[in-house]
Amino acid sequence: AQTVTQSQPEMSVQEAETVTLSCTYDTSESDYYLFWYKQPPSRQMILVIRQEAYKQQNATENRFSVNFQKAAKSFSLKISDSQLGDAAMYFCALIRVGGADGLTFGKGTHLIIQP
Amino acid sequence: DTGVSQDPRHKITKRGQNVTFRCDPISEHNRLYWYRQTLGQGPEFLTYFQNEAQLEKSRLLSDRFSAERPKGSFSTLEIQRTEQGDSAMYLCASSAASGRSSYNEQFFGPGTRLTVL
Repeated sequence: AQTVTQSQPEMSVQEAETVTLSCTYDTSESDYYLFWYKQPPSRQMILVIRQEAYKQQNATENRFSVNFQKAAKSFSLKISDSQLGDAAMYFCALIRVGGADGLTFGKGTHLIIQP
Repeated sequence: DTGVSQDPRHKITKRGQNVTFRCDPISEHNRLYWYRQTLGQGPEFLTYFQNEAQLEKSRLLSDRFSAERPKGSFSTLEIQRTEQGDSAMYLCASSAASGRSSYNEQFFGPGTRLTVL
């Protein structure tokens, strides 16, 4: 069984500042993918960034980057230059390669951007 | 609009009634997933289709739940004899086929919010 844990129910950051969201996971698989999804209020879930477990280099997408620590099973998301539009629920998720059992999600972190 | 669509967006029903939700995936996506998201939680996997074949079912999918994907296009999720505990957002996602060592992104629909009174 796979588990994903997000220990921060809510985070708050000033506009233009940097914030880091934490995620830890557990899996017995050696080949898997990790994701951060964003779910704005009343809007659909969209993919922010993905990381392939076999790649040591941390993924980056514009203002979003991850710190992937495979041995520690840690996968944090850093948002730089926070913008009002970043306000949303953020979910960390995992899927094993070749698996047919869908994504395993954490409980989410509610990110508040203060103007 | 070429994204994943779901219908209805909201459904209110009385306990004991049957409800059916529809999901239209992105065309040419042969994989389709159903998830359930309760308040304050992340989505939980329910079931997965590759084309018309239902390949995986979560233990969360009780006997009252049934999903179909005739002809490998749209999918329906039916809940029979609804209970208050079924109140949740039901999300559908689709993806293109993945190789044995790769993964293609799941694109999510807006969800159907079910309220059981």
